[in-house]
Amino acid sequence: DTGVSQDPRHKITKRGQNVTFRCDPISEHNRLYWYRQTLGQGPEFLTYFQNEAQLEKSRLLSDRFSAERPKGSFSTLEIQRTEQGDSAMYLCASSTLTGSNSPLHFGNGTRLTVT
Amino acid sequence: AQSVAQPEDQVNVAEGNPLTVKCTYSVSGNPYLFWYVQYPNRGLQFLLKYITGDNLVKGSYGFEAEFNKSQTSFHLKKPSALVSDSALYFCAVRVPPGAGSYQLTFGKGTKLSVIP
Repeated sequence: DTGVSQDPRHKITKRGQNVTFRCDPISEHNRLYWYRQTLGQGPEFLTYFQNEAQLEKSRLLSDRFSAERPKGSFSTLEIQRTEQGDSAMYLCASSTLTGSNSPLHFGNGTRLTVT
Repeated sequence: AQSVAQPEDQVNVAEGNPLTVKCTYSVSGNPYLFWYVQYPNRGLQFLLKYITGDNLVKGSYGFEAEFNKSQTSFHLKKPSALVSDSALYFCAVRVPPGAGSYQLTFGKGTKLSVIP
């Protein structure tokens, strides 16, 4: 169990640019989640995958945001035309499919700064 | 929609004293409740969960939490605090299976400072 891996750890970009983040979940985990966390707040749910299927999306996920998990393994989160309000920590988490109460295992996050 | 309230932004406790971090929730149906801890510049780590059964659940690092349905609370406790417990603590709730949502809803977090 090598844990959930996220890349990059930090990303600084200029407003209007596109960015893409990658998440590698724990290998046997079928469920994958993206959350966003801003300073002084708890993580906010963005989207959920079960294998390669995107089963739930938050209304926070505007049309500038898109997430994929093409082969049911790693996932990418892309933000197009970034805005300063997108600056946040983006957290990926994974869990097993056995039981809906299995805890989430979080990565260390990608911190995005939009200048 | 489910929600979580952590009424204290910060809790200070002396090392060796008992600690409590408060959490109340709102959800339709029976809640699934969780506590996570976050250290600086790190992701969240799972501490414990309540699904059903005994109202007192035990978790990692000596932490425990008490589920109180009538008060819709799920307070985190530890009998004797350590300096290394200083971190940010998040309470979270999700709806039971079949409710159509997989998301975990987090509170704003409580910063715990254990003073030597």
